[in-house]
Amino acid sequence: AQSVSQHNHHVILSEAASLELGCNYSYGGTVNLFWYVQYPGQHLQLLLKYFSGDPLVKGIKGFEAEFIKSKFSFNLRKPSVQWSDTAEYFCAVTRSSNTGKLIFGQGTTLQVKP
Amino acid sequence: DAGITQSPRHKVTETGTPVTLRCHQTENHRYMYWYRQDPGHGLRLIHYSYGVKDTDKGEVSDGYSVSRSKTEDFLLTLESATSSQTSVYFCAIRDDRDPTGELFFGEGSRLTVL
Repeated sequence: AQSVSQHNHHVILSEAASLELGCNYSYGGTVNLFWYVQYPGQHLQLLLKYFSGDPLVKGIKGFEAEFIKSKFSFNLRKPSVQWSDTAEYFCAVTRSSNTGKLIFGQGTTLQVKP
Repeated sequence: DAGITQSPRHKVTETGTPVTLRCHQTENHRYMYWYRQDPGHGLRLIHYSYGVKDTDKGEVSDGYSVSRSKTEDFLLTLESATSSQTSVYFCAIRDDRDPTGELFFGEGSRLTVL
């Protein structure tokens, strides 16, 4: 079965530190990849997505992610985090051919200390 | 704003009682989804719908049923709620014209089963 694995469950950083959150998926076919963010008490919002083309994807709020097909990875990065980035981050994958069913990773809680 | 409304937003119920959660969209999209969110599990797909009266099971469908009698409404029913169904439930929709499979999420419904 298709699965998504996020390696870091809880990350604590100081403001201005760099961030990298790992995401690996198990499906070997063509996939679309997503990072969603959930701020405290809110619903999920899209940070960025990979569909095709340039494997380095830029999203909102200075986030970016790189799709490395050979490693089945889609890691999220931000060069300098802010206190307002405190949230839970979810990686998700869907097969390009299916009915849009997103498979989510377990989530990573990011806490940024001011 | 993705035009998704979930109701109720909060509900406390007792074991063995039936519960229905409603998802209403104003976008007229075919695809609608119900996910549950639990700590350490991310979001898991319960059921989804690809049109009126067309539904299918997700990865955690046991104990849940759904109905879609109108394009705009997707109902999730717990016939006899159990404590293991205490969770936050998210409805999502997909833009039929978008090939990437991006989902837009509602605000969530927090269900507590005592």
